[in-house]
Amino acid sequence: GDSVTQMEGPVTLSEEAFLTINCTYTATGYPSLFWYVQYPGEGLQLLLKATKADDKGSNKGFEATYRKETTSFHLEKGSVQVSDSAVYFCALKDTNAGKSTFGDGTTLTVKP
Amino acid sequence: EAGVVQSPRYKIIEKKQPVAFWCNPISGHNTLYWYRQNLGQGPELLIRYENEEAVDDSQLPKDRFSAERLKGVDSTLKIQPAELGDSAVYLCASSLEDLAQETQYFGPGTRLLVL
Repeated sequence: GDSVTQMEGPVTLSEEAFLTINCTYTATGYPSLFWYVQYPGEGLQLLLKATKADDKGSNKGFEATYRKETTSFHLEKGSVQVSDSAVYFCALKDTNAGKSTFGDGTTLTVKP
Repeated sequence: EAGVVQSPRYKIIEKKQPVAFWCNPISGHNTLYWYRQNLGQGPELLIRYENEEAVDDSQLPKDRFSAERLKGVDSTLKIQPAELGDSAVYLCASSLEDLAQETQYFGPGTRLLVL
């Protein structure tokens, strides 16, 4: 079945540091890939997505590129802020619709 | 536009008691999902509806869990009887259509504690 593996946390960075959160997946078809973010006390919300190979999703300074050859969708940001502190979830949804599969989440804490 | 609404936000019950969660999806969204999220883990799908039809309930523990989506809008998820291991956050999400590229919009969740 489908699966998503995320870099284990927690991750602690200083403000303005570079962020990478690794995500790799296995899927039987050609899935769409997503990053969701969960801020403290809130529900999950979409951060960015990519629907086919080599697509780059971007939002709020975050980027991730759909790499079919390495089955990866790593999340990056050049300069993190304290307000980026949250839990980040990588997810996929296969082309035949069906269920979404989520990683276990990576907790990011940014210190001033 | 209102987001996905869930109630209650928190629920504490004793084991063997019944409990129900309610979800109102975003207006016009045909697809509705119920997930369970255990502490430190990602959401796991329990059931997926396309309008009023449950198109995937393979992960729903049918001996104690039930769900309905009457008229293809609101949905209710029920547990009877609850067990200690059911303590988790129950998330409802909706999307316009059940396509791979569609974004799911999540509600704030119901945090259940079974004592």
